[in-house]
Amino acid sequence: EDQVTQSPEALRLQEGESSSLNCSYTVSGLRGLFWYRQDPGKGPEFLFTLYSAGEEKEKERLKATLTKKESFLHITAPKPEDSATYLCAVHGSSNTGKLIFGQGTTLQVKP
Amino acid sequence: GAVVSQHPSRVICKSGTSVKIECRSLDFQATTMFWYRQFPKKSLMLMATSNEGSKATYEQGVEKDKFLINHASLTLSTLTVTSAHPEDSSFYICSASGTGNSYEQYFGPGTRLTVT
Repeated sequence: EDQVTQSPEALRLQEGESSSLNCSYTVSGLRGLFWYRQDPGKGPEFLFTLYSAGEEKEKERLKATLTKKESFLHITAPKPEDSATYLCAVHGSSNTGKLIFGQGTTLQVKP
Repeated sequence: GAVVSQHPSRVICKSGTSVKIECRSLDFQATTMFWYRQFPKKSLMLMATSNEGSKATYEQGVEKDKFLINHASLTLSTLTVTSAHPEDSSFYICSASGTGNSYEQYFGPGTRLTVT
Protein backbone atom coordinates (compact mmCIF):
# COMPACT_ATOMS: atom_id res chain seq x y z
CA GLU A 1 0.00 0.00 0.00
CA ASP A 2 1.29 3.44 -0.94
CA GLN A 3 2.15 5.55 2.08
CA VAL A 4 3.53 8.99 2.90
CA THR A 5 4.91 10.06 6.29
CA GLN A 6 5.99 13.61 7.06
CA SER A 7 8.17 14.75 9.92
CA PRO A 8 8.28 16.63 12.11
CA GLU A 9 4.59 17.25 12.71
CA ALA A 10 5.35 20.80 13.81
CA LEU A 11 8.44 22.96 13.58
CA ARG A 12 9.21 26.30 15.18
CA LEU A 13 12.09 28.35 13.81
CA GLN A 14 13.52 31.75 14.44
CA GLU A 15 13.64 34.03 11.45
CA GLY A 16 16.80 33.22 9.51
CA GLU A 17 17.20 29.75 11.05
CA SER A 18 17.43 27.29 8.18
CA SER A 19 15.98 23.78 8.46
CA SER A 20 14.53 20.87 6.51
CA LEU A 21 11.19 19.08 6.39
CA ASN A 22 11.12 15.36 5.65
CA CYS A 23 8.72 13.33 3.53
CA SER A 24 9.26 9.56 3.54
CA TYR A 25 7.29 7.54 1.04
CA THR A 26 6.53 4.01 -0.03
CA VAL A 27 4.98 3.77 -3.47
CA SER A 28 4.88 1.32 -6.32
CA GLY A 29 6.14 3.03 -9.44
CA LEU A 30 6.60 6.68 -8.45
CA ARG A 31 5.16 8.95 -11.09
CA GLY A 32 5.60 12.15 -9.15
CA LEU A 33 6.18 13.62 -5.70
CA PHE A 34 4.49 16.91 -4.98
CA TRP A 35 4.99 19.63 -2.39
CA TYR A 36 2.20 22.03 -1.47
CA ARG A 37 1.91 24.93 0.94
CA GLN A 38 -1.38 25.47 2.78
CA ASP A 39 -2.30 28.55 4.76
CA PRO A 40 -5.10 28.33 7.36
CA GLY A 41 -8.55 28.40 5.79
CA LYS A 42 -7.21 28.17 2.23
CA GLY A 43 -6.62 25.50 -0.36
CA PRO A 44 -3.15 24.04 -0.92
CA GLU A 45 -0.83 26.01 -3.18
CA PHE A 46 1.33 24.03 -5.58
CA LEU A 47 5.08 24.37 -5.00
CA PHE A 48 7.05 21.61 -6.73
CA THR A 49 6.89 18.34 -8.62
CA LEU A 50 9.81 15.91 -8.49
CA TYR A 51 9.90 12.87 -10.75
CA SER A 52 13.11 10.96 -10.17
CA ALA A 53 15.80 10.42 -7.56
CA GLY A 54 18.47 13.08 -7.64
CA GLU A 55 16.14 15.75 -8.93
CA GLU A 56 16.15 19.14 -7.21
CA LYS A 57 13.95 22.21 -7.62
CA GLU A 58 14.18 25.66 -6.09
CA LYS A 59 11.84 28.57 -5.55
CA GLU A 60 12.95 31.57 -3.53
CA ARG A 61 13.93 30.25 -0.07
CA LEU A 62 12.65 26.73 -0.75
CA LYS A 63 14.53 23.82 -2.26
CA ALA A 64 13.07 20.36 -2.75
CA THR A 65 15.16 17.24 -3.22
CA LEU A 66 14.28 13.62 -3.92
CA THR A 67 15.81 10.21 -3.22
CA LYS A 68 14.33 6.77 -3.78
CA LYS A 69 12.81 6.76 -0.31
CA GLU A 70 12.31 10.34 0.77
CA SER A 71 12.11 13.98 -0.15
CA PHE A 72 13.33 17.00 1.74
CA LEU A 73 12.04 20.53 1.64
CA HIS A 74 14.90 22.77 2.66
CA ILE A 75 14.03 26.24 3.91
CA THR A 76 16.91 28.69 3.85
CA ALA A 77 16.81 31.78 6.07
CA PRO A 78 13.05 31.58 6.57
CA LYS A 79 10.86 34.61 7.13
CA PRO A 80 7.62 34.85 9.14
CA GLU A 81 5.64 34.76 5.90
CA ASP A 82 6.92 31.23 5.30
CA SER A 83 4.77 30.09 8.22
CA ALA A 84 2.26 27.55 6.86
CA THR A 85 1.53 23.84 6.68
CA TYR A 86 3.61 22.05 4.07
CA LEU A 87 2.05 18.98 2.49
CA CYS A 88 3.82 16.23 0.60
CA ALA A 89 1.97 13.90 -1.78
CA VAL A 90 2.88 11.10 -4.16
CA HIS A 91 1.34 9.65 -7.27
CA GLY A 92 2.12 6.03 -7.97
CA SER A 93 1.43 3.78 -10.90
CA SER A 94 -1.48 2.15 -9.10
CA ASN A 95 -3.20 5.36 -8.02
CA THR A 96 -4.99 6.25 -11.28
CA GLY A 97 -4.47 9.97 -10.86
CA LYS A 98 -5.06 10.13 -7.11
CA LEU A 99 -2.52 11.73 -4.80
CA ILE A 100 -1.58 10.12 -1.50
CA PHE A 101 -0.97 12.88 1.04
CA GLY A 102 1.12 12.96 4.18
CA GLN A 103 -0.21 14.54 7.34
CA GLY A 104 1.77 17.73 6.80
CA THR A 105 4.34 19.73 8.74
CA THR A 106 3.16 22.95 10.33
CA LEU A 107 5.95 25.50 10.25
CA GLN A 108 6.00 28.58 12.44
CA VAL A 109 8.72 31.17 11.88
CA LYS A 110 9.07 33.73 14.63
CA PRO A 111 10.52 37.19 13.97
CA GLY B 1 -1.61 29.82 -14.94
CA ALA B 2 -3.42 26.82 -13.39
CA VAL B 3 -6.02 28.77 -11.42
CA VAL B 4 -8.96 26.99 -9.83
CA SER B 5 -11.88 28.82 -8.25
CA GLN B 6 -14.59 27.65 -5.88
CA HIS B 7 -17.94 29.17 -5.08
CA PRO B 8 -19.15 29.93 -2.53
CA SER B 9 -16.22 30.41 -0.16
CA ARG B 10 -18.50 30.12 2.85
CA VAL B 11 -22.04 28.81 3.23
CA ILE B 12 -24.33 28.31 6.19
CA CYS B 13 -27.40 26.17 5.71
CA LYS B 14 -30.07 24.58 7.83
CA SER B 15 -30.18 20.89 8.56
CA GLY B 16 -32.09 18.99 5.90
CA THR B 17 -31.39 21.38 3.04
CA SER B 18 -29.05 20.83 0.09
CA VAL B 19 -26.00 22.87 -0.83
CA LYS B 20 -24.18 23.07 -4.14
CA ILE B 21 -20.48 23.96 -4.42
CA GLU B 22 -18.93 24.88 -7.77
CA CYS B 23 -15.36 24.27 -8.84
CA ARG B 24 -14.00 25.88 -11.99
CA SER B 25 -10.67 25.68 -13.76
CA LEU B 26 -10.17 29.20 -15.08
CA ASP B 27 -7.25 28.93 -17.47
CA PHE B 28 -6.93 25.28 -18.41
CA GLN B 29 -9.07 22.32 -19.30
CA ALA B 30 -9.48 19.92 -16.40
CA THR B 31 -9.92 16.36 -17.57
CA THR B 32 -10.08 15.20 -13.98
CA MET B 33 -11.36 16.95 -10.88
CA PHE B 34 -11.09 15.79 -7.31
CA TRP B 35 -13.14 16.62 -4.23
CA TYR B 36 -11.56 16.58 -0.79
CA ARG B 37 -12.78 17.14 2.71
CA GLN B 38 -10.50 18.51 5.41
CA PHE B 39 -11.08 18.39 9.15
CA PRO B 40 -9.38 20.89 11.48
CA LYS B 41 -5.63 20.35 11.69
CA LYS B 42 -5.89 17.24 9.52
CA SER B 43 -4.68 16.43 6.06
CA LEU B 44 -6.88 16.17 2.99
CA MET B 45 -9.32 13.29 2.69
CA LEU B 46 -10.20 12.39 -0.89
CA MET B 47 -13.93 11.98 -1.37
CA ALA B 48 -14.25 11.32 -5.08
CA THR B 49 -12.65 11.62 -8.48
CA SER B 50 -14.58 12.84 -11.48
CA ASN B 51 -13.76 12.79 -15.16
CA GLU B 52 -15.55 15.03 -17.60
CA GLY B 53 -18.64 13.33 -18.94
CA SER B 54 -18.33 10.29 -16.69
CA LYS B 55 -19.76 9.23 -13.38
CA ALA B 56 -17.66 10.07 -10.36
CA THR B 57 -15.63 7.42 -8.57
CA TYR B 58 -16.19 7.62 -4.83
CA GLU B 59 -13.74 6.60 -2.14
CA GLN B 60 -14.68 3.88 0.29
CA GLY B 61 -17.02 5.15 2.98
CA VAL B 62 -18.25 8.18 1.04
CA GLU B 63 -21.99 8.10 0.37
CA LYS B 64 -22.55 8.81 -3.32
CA ASP B 65 -26.23 9.58 -2.81
CA LYS B 66 -25.36 12.19 -0.23
CA PHE B 67 -22.47 13.82 -2.05
CA LEU B 68 -23.57 14.23 -5.65
CA ILE B 69 -20.82 15.11 -8.08
CA ASN B 70 -21.29 16.35 -11.61
CA HIS B 71 -18.46 17.09 -14.03
CA ALA B 72 -20.41 18.54 -16.91
CA SER B 73 -17.58 20.25 -18.77
CA LEU B 74 -13.81 20.48 -18.91
CA THR B 75 -13.92 23.57 -16.69
CA LEU B 76 -16.71 22.88 -14.20
CA SER B 77 -17.47 20.33 -11.53
CA THR B 78 -20.10 20.61 -8.82
CA LEU B 79 -20.52 18.94 -5.45
CA THR B 80 -24.00 18.88 -3.97
CA VAL B 81 -24.38 17.96 -0.33
CA THR B 82 -27.92 16.62 -0.07
CA SER B 83 -30.01 16.69 3.10
CA ALA B 84 -27.13 18.23 5.00
CA HIS B 85 -26.64 17.51 8.68
CA PRO B 86 -24.35 19.18 11.25
CA GLU B 87 -21.81 16.36 10.87
CA ASP B 88 -21.38 17.41 7.23
CA SER B 89 -19.95 20.72 8.40
CA SER B 90 -16.41 20.84 7.09
CA PHE B 91 -13.94 22.47 4.71
CA TYR B 92 -14.44 21.16 1.18
CA ILE B 93 -11.69 21.63 -1.38
CA CYS B 94 -11.63 20.76 -5.06
CA SER B 95 -8.65 20.26 -7.29
CA ALA B 96 -8.19 19.94 -11.00
CA SER B 97 -5.73 18.10 -13.17
CA GLY B 98 -5.26 18.94 -16.81
CA THR B 99 -4.22 17.06 -19.88
CA GLY B 100 -0.74 15.63 -20.10
CA ASN B 101 1.21 13.29 -17.87
CA SER B 102 2.29 15.54 -15.01
CA TYR B 103 -0.46 14.42 -12.57
CA GLU B 104 -0.15 17.79 -10.89
CA GLN B 105 -3.30 18.89 -9.12
CA TYR B 106 -4.19 22.53 -8.64
CA PHE B 107 -6.45 23.34 -5.75
CA GLY B 108 -9.28 25.74 -5.29
CA PRO B 109 -9.46 28.05 -2.25
CA GLY B 110 -11.97 25.82 -0.45
CA THR B 111 -15.54 26.17 0.79
CA ARG B 112 -16.39 26.31 4.48
CA LEU B 113 -19.76 24.60 5.01
CA THR B 114 -21.60 25.06 8.29
CA VAL B 115 -24.84 23.17 8.84
CA THR B 116 -26.99 24.45 11.70
